[in-house]
Amino acid sequence: LAKTTQPISMDSYEGQEVNITCSHNNIATNDYITWYQQFPSQGPRFIIQGYKTKVTNEVASLFIPADRKSSTLSLPRVSLSDTAVYYCLVGDMDNTDKLIFGTGTRLQVFP
Amino acid sequence: ETGVTQSPTHLIKTRGQQVTLRCSSQSGHNTVSWYQQALGQGPQFIFQYYREEENGRGNFPPRFSGLQFPNYSSELNVNALELDDSALYLCASSSDSHAYGYTFGSGTRLTVV
Repeated sequence: LAKTTQPISMDSYEGQEVNITCSHNNIATNDYITWYQQFPSQGPRFIIQGYKTKVTNEVASLFIPADRKSSTLSLPRVSLSDTAVYYCLVGDMDNTDKLIFGTGTRLQVFP
Repeated sequence: ETGVTQSPTHLIKTRGQQVTLRCSSQSGHNTVSWYQQALGQGPQFIFQYYREEENGRGNFPPRFSGLQFPNYSSELNVNALELDDSALYLCASSSDSHAYGYTFGSGTRLTVV
């Protein structure tokens, strides 16, 4: 399974856009990119998933360049409640779909 | 539709004891995975069950075992508990389509003393 690299932590202020980039140089052809959010003492929550180009839902956008060796999770206008750990994962959802988590990015949003 | 529920929410056990954690998967999901999350770390994959059969295992010793039942609920059993087994144990369920990723429960906080 492809290994991912993310920044350990990021700080932001309320109302700002936050972009968290994930590196996955060894991504395989069948791998999807998935992001999860986790609050303390809770299970991770699915945010968004994509294969290429751009995916947008009501929560976030996911930008994936043509070479797919990285991806960027974009959170528009963050609020204090977006303070959490964000995990980027890559994997073949049809075959070896056991999620492999790294240490994630700890996002702290300040007033 | 109901989400993933885990029980108990908190548990304290003594070193050497055995523990059973339970998970009810989300309606319509046939795959259950178990994760161990130590404080400040990402979740670590223990094993996965698909239609009552083990379908992959992480780097955990045999004293970690599991079951999946016909209704797709699942149990995680840990024998001979060690202090390092203290962690948040997460259960996640998914369907064949994986269209919306995995749905996680809130976990069971296990403390081994």
